[in-house]
Parts: sequence; structure tokens; C-alpha cells
Amino acid sequence: DIQMTQSPSAMSASVGDRVTITCRASQGISNYLAWFQQKPGKVPKRLIYASSSLQSGVPSRFSGSGSGTEFTLTISSLQPEDFATYYCLQHNSYPITFGQGTRLDIK
Amino acid sequence: EVQLVESGGGLVQPGGSLRLSCATSGFTSSTYWMSWVRLAPGKGLEWVANIKPDGSQKYYVDSVKGRFTISRDNAKNSMFLEMNSLRAEDTAVYYCARDISLLYWGQGTLVTVSS
Repeated sequence: DIQMTQSPSAMSASVGDRVTITCRASQGISNYLAWFQQKPGKVPKRLIYASSSLQSGVPSRFSGSGSGTEFTLTISSLQPEDFATYYCLQHNSYPITFGQGTRLDIK
Repeated sequence: EVQLVESGGGLVQPGGSLRLSCATSGFTSSTYWMSWVRLAPGKGLEWVANIKPDGSQKYYVDSVKGRFTISRDNAKNSMFLEMNSLRAEDTAVYYCARDISLLYWGQGTLVTVSS
């Protein structure tokens, strides 16, 4: 199975900060990587697909990069509505696996 | 508008069974892979299973293999998850989602396994 390791597991930041979350795959997954945002009690929302493609309707302050085993999600300027838990997902091979999540809190 | 609506969750005793349903609308269901994902209390998202558009291929996470069965009825725009031999650790909100990379999600249905 491919393990997806996210870092950090939790972080605090302020509105306006630039934030980067990293996801490392235990083996190469090409660009079969998506990023999701989930707020408490809400449905997960796909932000990025194919490692770096921005989902329609998602603000341009979100961006993704990487290929192979290392990937990043960057939020260029945090907004109040961005405080949530973020997950990466690899769908290169079965079983499909999520990272353990990164909880982003207000500092 | 794409919509996915789960149903069938509830309280069940350990060792019991439940059948979850996912009703879809707004797209041709026979064209897309469909998936189940769960979120257990205090845990992260976990992919559970998915099924090919024609139902000919099915994949599962190891922890549910032999206990859960995914299926679909494209004529009724529906997908199902038959869950047997349920354990406390299966307690979670279960979401159905469209596509292998999970673009669209339902609102989820809560499954609680407890005596």
C-alpha cells in the first residue's frame, strides 16, 4: 500500500499568512494527487486535482505542485474561511489512500 | 446539478449488518466510477471502496475486504454498500462520491456500531 504522510499534522496561522502543507508518498504516484478541504460537520471539498490543477470555483490563492513522491498545497494569503482540515489523496494505485490530515487553526 | 444522497445509516450491534444506498442525479451514472469514503470520530478521511462504471471491477480497503460489498444499479442511478460483520471501528459518517478522485460528494450517513 502507498502511505501518504502529511506535514505538519496541525498548525496555527494568521489571516494574510502564506501557508504550505506537504504530502509525501511512500512510492511514486506520478501526478495522481488531489487536495481536499473539510470543515467540521461539512462535506469535503476538492480543491486541487492532478497535483496542480485548480478545481473550478476554488479561489486562486490555492495552488498545488509536485510529482512523483513530494507534493505541496500552498495558500498564498490565508482568509478567515480557510481555517479547516486539509487532506491529500493518492489515486495512482489501490488501495486509494488519504494523508492523515493537517488541521489549520487561527493563531 | 449533480446530487448524491446517502441513506441507510443507523445504530447496529457489533456483528450486525446494514445496507447503505446512494441515489444520484444530474449526471449519467453509468459513465462514472463511484466511491465510498468514511470519516470516523476523531479520525481522518478513509477511502473504503469504489466500483467501475459498468460494475465489472471493485476495489476495497483491506480492513473491509470480505465484510463489505459495493454494487450499483445504473438503471436506477444508485450505488450500494452492503456491510456485514460490523465492528465498533466501522462507526463513521459514510459518504458516497463520484469519480476516482472524488469530485462530488453526498452529505453523508452516520453508521454507529455499538451494543
